[in-house]
Amino acid sequence: QLQLQESGPGLVKPSETLSLTCSVSGGSISSSPYYWGWIRQPPGKGLEWIGSIDYSGSSYYNPSLKSRVTISVDTSKNQFSLKLSSVTAADTAVHYCARLIVGTTDWYFDLWGRGTLVTVSS
Amino acid sequence: QSALTQPRSVSGSPGQSVTISCTGTSSDVGGYSYVSWYQQHPGKAPKLMIYNVNKRPSGVPDRFSGSKSGNTASLSISGLQDEDEADYYCCSYAGSYTLLFGGGTKLTVL
Repeated sequence: QLQLQESGPGLVKPSETLSLTCSVSGGSISSSPYYWGWIRQPPGKGLEWIGSIDYSGSSYYNPSLKSRVTISVDTSKNQFSLKLSSVTAADTAVHYCARLIVGTTDWYFDLWGRGTLVTVSS
Repeated sequence: QSALTQPRSVSGSPGQSVTISCTGTSSDVGGYSYVSWYQQHPGKAPKLMIYNVNKRPSGVPDRFSGSKSGNTASLSISGLQDEDEADYYCCSYAGSYTLLFGGGTKLTVL
């Protein structure tokens, strides 16, 4: 069955760029009706949608993060990635990648990765 | 975009029923039938419990149900069990290919 796995540095310095990759196994990232998304959760706080992308590279971002976020997809590697620039301590969070079901009657995350904690600190 | 509004906590005894509300606006919850609910146990990834307001994925007990009225969606859990103790989050489509989560509700089984 399909699985998602986040990977990337667990520690990022303030003002630098956070970079994470989500590897998809057990299925193709190019399959429809799937989009792929990133969600974050600061310690002890709630979930926040960061953005989503489809296999063709069409991306959509949370308006509050849009100026700092880039999500890309690499279909040859069956991966999609997140970059968040100019990070501060407020960006410290567990980051999840997830599969997003999108259709004329569907908008929901049905599968999630286990999450990876990224700490912003000097 | 502001987070959808959920009560910070709810509680109930085993066997009882509880309802968690999720209030938004006509631009999100009220404007679309795309509300989903997620259960999250400590240290774990969220798990889909309800999608499209009231549909249950395979494997989710029928004790869990969803509904919506106007700008407020609700998750109801009947016959509470110890394993239902967790955090619950609602999520709604908010137009222009964007999504919005609620602040989360901690369910305590007394």
